[in-house]
Amino acid sequence: DTAVSQTPKYLVTQMGNDKSIKCEQNLGHDTMYWYKQDSKKFLKIMFSYNNKELIINETVPNRFSPKSPDKAHLNLHINSLELGDSAVYFCASSLTTGGYGYTFGSGTRLTVV
Amino acid sequence: AQKITQTQPGMFVQEKEAVTLDCTYDTSDPSYGLFWYKQPSSGEMIFLIYQGSYDQQNATEGRYSLNFQKARKSANLVISASQLGDSAMYFCAMREKGYDGGFKTIFGAGTRLFVKA
Repeated sequence: DTAVSQTPKYLVTQMGNDKSIKCEQNLGHDTMYWYKQDSKKFLKIMFSYNNKELIINETVPNRFSPKSPDKAHLNLHINSLELGDSAVYFCASSLTTGGYGYTFGSGTRLTVV
Repeated sequence: AQKITQTQPGMFVQEKEAVTLDCTYDTSDPSYGLFWYKQPSSGEMIFLIYQGSYDQQNATEGRYSLNFQKARKSANLVISASQLGDSAMYFCAMREKGYDGGFKTIFGAGTRLFVKA
């Protein structure tokens, strides 16, 4: 059983398109996150949700909109994709906002052409 | 200002030897946590070890140990008896309380470790 699963694993799309990445965790964690890892491997937090409520919203273009229908799911929708959005996006979850039991998904490699 | 600093972009170690990966941090939160993660070429992020700011002893997990020097604000990862499979990127991370009272975990830039046969 995969603890934090993301789909799709790979996503290639054209500039200007809208795409979504889905994330689900079966760990019973309260908090979920989206991170972006750029080509230099730097990991930067984008959003954090606790029990479906947004608690961290870093300086991210408003083309990125997270949605949490329930505490086990946190999806990321991206409008009007740009070349600079190409990166690996990681979903993660933790038991509480304190970060205990931090677990990552396997990542989604987004390539915008 | 950098909250988590990993000064070694790349490191080489001979198989079976020990290696230390450096990490320094900066926070005003008295209750923080420090993590190390491994990212192999396959891309997944693997949790290795955790140290809480109030923990009296250095954390250990198998061949991994965290050399926690609180006064110096350093949390170096020591890998003993390196194996070829240890070749990967290693990230140091810190959990601290943010300005809004919520917690945030931030990551260093990573160190790429190469284990030579």
